[in-house]
Order: sequence, then structure tokens, then C-alpha cells
Amino acid sequence: DAEITQSPRHKITETGRQVTLACHQTWNHNNMFWYRQDLGHGLRLIHYSYGVHDTNKGEVSDGYSVSRSNTEDLPLTLESAASSQTSVYFCASSESNREDTQYFGPGTRLTVL
Amino acid sequence: GENVEQHPSTLSVQEGDSAVIKCTYSDSASNYFPWYKQELGKGPQLIIDIRSNVGEKKDQRIAVTLNKTAKHFSLHITETQPEDSAVYFCAARPGGYQKVTFGIGTKLQVIP
Repeated sequence: DAEITQSPRHKITETGRQVTLACHQTWNHNNMFWYRQDLGHGLRLIHYSYGVHDTNKGEVSDGYSVSRSNTEDLPLTLESAASSQTSVYFCASSESNREDTQYFGPGTRLTVL
Repeated sequence: GENVEQHPSTLSVQEGDSAVIKCTYSDSASNYFPWYKQELGKGPQLIIDIRSNVGEKKDQRIAVTLNKTAKHFSLHITETQPEDSAVYFCAARPGGYQKVTFGIGTKLQVIP
């Protein structure tokens, strides 16, 4: 069955380190999204991509970057981790033209000490 | 950009009672309104959605209503069951774009 996976599921890192969170989907969806979930803020969009080599900033993109070299993967990089980036991160994907449903991965809990 | 407000932030109901979650949106161009359910430790999952050309949509015990004039939409769960306990998110999306804006979520607790 098609699915969307995230790795690692849990990560503890130190302030200033570079961290990359992986997202892989097997639906062949064109659209992919990264969100962070924090209490009192819901789901906030970090970056998104409408296809290979396309990336766009969301509402909370500072300190994060993404690259899309193929359809299946959209890794999220924290260039220099900060304590304010402690959060739960969700990746999602959707098919571009026929439906709007976003399919979410299981999430990555990131702690920055 | 779009702004979605959701309330209440927490809701407790007795099993068998109904639950209602309300959302408002700011962008009159929004035409797609999905609702997601997030169970503990999992990612959100779409449970129902409605488009701006429809005023109400039902799927078994859940229904969504949309008032375009007032720019608000609501989720109704009838005959609640303990497995309905979760966090529910509303969202809105302006026409022509795949990017949705989410509300802050409502934690629903169904008390057996």
C-alpha cells in the first residue's frame, strides 16, 4: 500500500547543530508539505513543494530549508537548531489536480537542548 | 493571507451526546474546507470536507455545515463514542492553491 513515512520518529539534538528530518511518500504525489505542531498554534506551514525542484516558504520558514530532487522525498533541514524549534514536525502530501486531501505522516518529535 | 479561528480549544461531552466545533475564516476566496482528526501519537487524517458550492455534507455520524455569507463552518458529531476522543482541526483553502491554513485545533474528550 502507498504510504508516507517520516524518520526519525524521535530526535534529540543540541543548539547549533544541523538536523535533517526525512519525509518519503510512495503515492507519487506532486505536492508535499512540512508543518510544525505546537500547543496553542495548531499546524503551521514551514515549507511546501508543488513538484521536483520547486520549493516555497510557508508562514514559519525562518531557520528551515527544503530541497526536492525527486517526487518521493522532501527532507527538512534545520540549519542551526534552536530551542524554539523544539516541536512535532509533520510531513504531508497531496495529488496536484484531482483531489485536495493531504495525507500526513506519523510525525517526528524533535527536542533541541 | 487566510486566517482561521477555531473554538472551543477543549470540549468534553458525555458518550451519546453531540459535539459541535466552530471555525471562522477571513478570506472570502476560500472554497475548500477540510476537517482533520488527530489521534494521540499519530498524524492528522481527513474525516470530512466541504466545498463552497455546498451548504451541508453528512457522513454517518459526522456532518459539516458552511455559511459563506458569515464565513464560518462547523463540525457536528452525533452520538459520540469514546473513540471520537481526539484533536480536531478545521482548515480553509483559497481557490486555485493547494496550501491550506489550519485552525489551532479542538481537543475533544468523550466521557464514557
